[in-house]
Amino acid sequence: AQSVSQHNHHVILSEAASLELGCNYSYGGTVNLFWYVQYPGQHLQLLLKYFSGDPLVKGIKGFEAEFIKSKFSFNLRKPSVQWSDTAEYFCAVNAEYGQNFVFGPGTRLSVLP
Amino acid sequence: DTGVSQDPRHKITKRGQNVTFRCDPISEHNRLYWYRQTLGQGPEFLTYFQNEAQLEKSRLLSDRFSAERPKGSFSTLEIQRTEQGDSAMYLCASTLAGQIQIQYFGAGTRLSVL
Repeated sequence: AQSVSQHNHHVILSEAASLELGCNYSYGGTVNLFWYVQYPGQHLQLLLKYFSGDPLVKGIKGFEAEFIKSKFSFNLRKPSVQWSDTAEYFCAVNAEYGQNFVFGPGTRLSVLP
Repeated sequence: DTGVSQDPRHKITKRGQNVTFRCDPISEHNRLYWYRQTLGQGPEFLTYFQNEAQLEKSRLLSDRFSAERPKGSFSTLEIQRTEQGDSAMYLCASTLAGQIQIQYFGAGTRLSVL
């Protein structure tokens, strides 16, 4: 069975600091990988996705993520966070050709102005 | 708003009562998913439909839970004889044919069982 772990439960940063949120998954086959974001009071939104090709993917709002197959990781990064990035971030995995999506427990990011 | 809509946004009920939630997906989406999310956790898959067919159910979906999508459009999730452990956010997501892996989520229905 697939599982997803996220390294940090709560991350607190000051504006302009760099961000890296860890995500590891367990599944032996080919996977599709996602980061979703949930801003306070809003629904889950897709931040970025990896299906195949270049393992460094860019998403909205300056976020990027790198897929490292050998480490089963898909870490999210942003060079300089803003107060508006305060949200909860979820990593998710979908096995290729599978229909089930498995989400990690989420990381709450608080950016201090 | 042409996104995924869920109704009600919040439901408070007494233990033992039945509740029903509704999800209206984006109109052209043929796949619809239900998830449950508890505090401090990510969404947990419950079930999904392709058109009107329910194709997969999680072991989390006990006998008290039933979901339907009778005409392949909106879906309902019913919980019978609610228990306090059913208190959670119930999320619906839909996907566009040809973009199966990109899910669009609704705002969710928060269930509180007293």
